[in-house]
Amino acid sequence: EDQVTQSPEALRLQEGESSSLNCSYTVSGLRGLFWYRQDPGKGPEFLFTLYSAGEEKEKERLKATLTKKESFLHITAPKPEDSATYLCAVQAPGGSQGNLIFGKGTKLSVKP
Amino acid sequence: DTGVSQDPRHKITKRGQNVTFRCDPISEHNRLYWYRQTLGQGPEFLTYFQNEAQLEKSRLLSDRFSAERPKGSFSTLEIQRTEQGDSAMYLCASSPPRERGAFFGQGTRLTVV
Repeated sequence: EDQVTQSPEALRLQEGESSSLNCSYTVSGLRGLFWYRQDPGKGPEFLFTLYSAGEEKEKERLKATLTKKESFLHITAPKPEDSATYLCAVQAPGGSQGNLIFGKGTKLSVKP
Repeated sequence: DTGVSQDPRHKITKRGQNVTFRCDPISEHNRLYWYRQTLGQGPEFLTYFQNEAQLEKSRLLSDRFSAERPKGSFSTLEIQRTEQGDSAMYLCASSPPRERGAFFGQGTRLTVV
């Protein structure tokens, strides 16, 4: 049973065209939702941690928000260097702080 | 570079051979994790160490897999009698005390031929 589902699987944007990536989760008692960026052939790079509904965090052109059932990663005026796979994860129920359940990711391509 | 370091970055091995990977976590991070990632999938949790103690193991960690973290510093992941299905990126991550989430290394890509 999927506990973390990301959509869309792939997203193509023109440079400057803002959009949002979705991450829906089904775990109860959320203890943390995490966003990572992953470039081809490299390990995931930590972006944000969100803990409670209504929380928002920003970093450059990225803004992450959290509701009771999903999280969004908003990308404002993206640039080609934002092209990557964006992964969402939640802390596994009953697991340690770093035991994360990941979605399959959204592959973002930004064309100049 | 003070990030998580993994060695080697790439490994090609023949089916049936044993392989060992090394991970050096960020200094002062007492928690260390191993994950496996296959193409088109997100990383999957394998095992967790707090200092030198292995506290969690996923059912994905079959008896051909063994991980150690002697002295609570670097860690090794060994795969015995490799199979083609073991081909994947093996990721190591670490985190400091009382922080959730994890910081990942660049991974070791294993190809079993």
